[in-house]
Amino acid sequence: NAGVTQTPKFQVLKTGQSMTLQCAQDMNHNSMYWYRQDPGMGLRLIYYSASEGTTDKGEVPNGYNVSRLNKREFSLRLESAAPSQTSVYFCASSLPGLLAKNIQYFGAGTRLSVL
Amino acid sequence: DQQVKQNSPSLSVQEGRISILNCDYTNSMFDYFLWYKKYPAEGPTFLISISSIKDKNEDGRFTVFLNKSAKHLSLHIVPSQPGDSAVYFCAASAPTSYDKVIFGPGTSLSVIP
Repeated sequence: NAGVTQTPKFQVLKTGQSMTLQCAQDMNHNSMYWYRQDPGMGLRLIYYSASEGTTDKGEVPNGYNVSRLNKREFSLRLESAAPSQTSVYFCASSLPGLLAKNIQYFGAGTRLSVL
Repeated sequence: DQQVKQNSPSLSVQEGRISILNCDYTNSMFDYFLWYKKYPAEGPTFLISISSIKDKNEDGRFTVFLNKSAKHLSLHIVPSQPGDSAVYFCAASAPTSYDKVIFGPGTSLSVIP
């Protein structure tokens, strides 16, 4: 039972480079999320997708784009990476709203460094 | 301005004693609260939750208490075990936006054998 799978686990970029973080879940969840974790800041929501074909901005969307490719996959793209985007990125998924009691299932994270 | 606060970045407790992790929130619209646990190099995992219609929820060694008037909740772990050493995140959501869960900054718990 894989749950939520993120690739890659680690990545080093130079300022201005682009990359896509991949996320896939096998739990048939409708909702998917991208967070970043920074020291002292907790987890901050970048984007989320309530269902296939829909995406919405979270707390810190600037500098990122997302694609909900299908029900399983939700990717996060950095078009022109900046040092401020150095962080640990987590993907999560959940069933919608009250049915799921807001419980989200997280991947193991992608540690990104932008030099 | 953080809507969910965990004012203790770290906490050390002896094995077998009680661990108490605290969380404060500012948004009175929050009506559902969760605790997640995170080990190094892993993603957070759900631990326990509580609805605003309750003031206590218990699951084995873990109990969450909610004081709505004080906008405060706490997680009690009794007895604490070395395997409980992790970062604990408090999180909250509001009825108008259950998908947008707001996380606190986390408290790192060390249980000393």
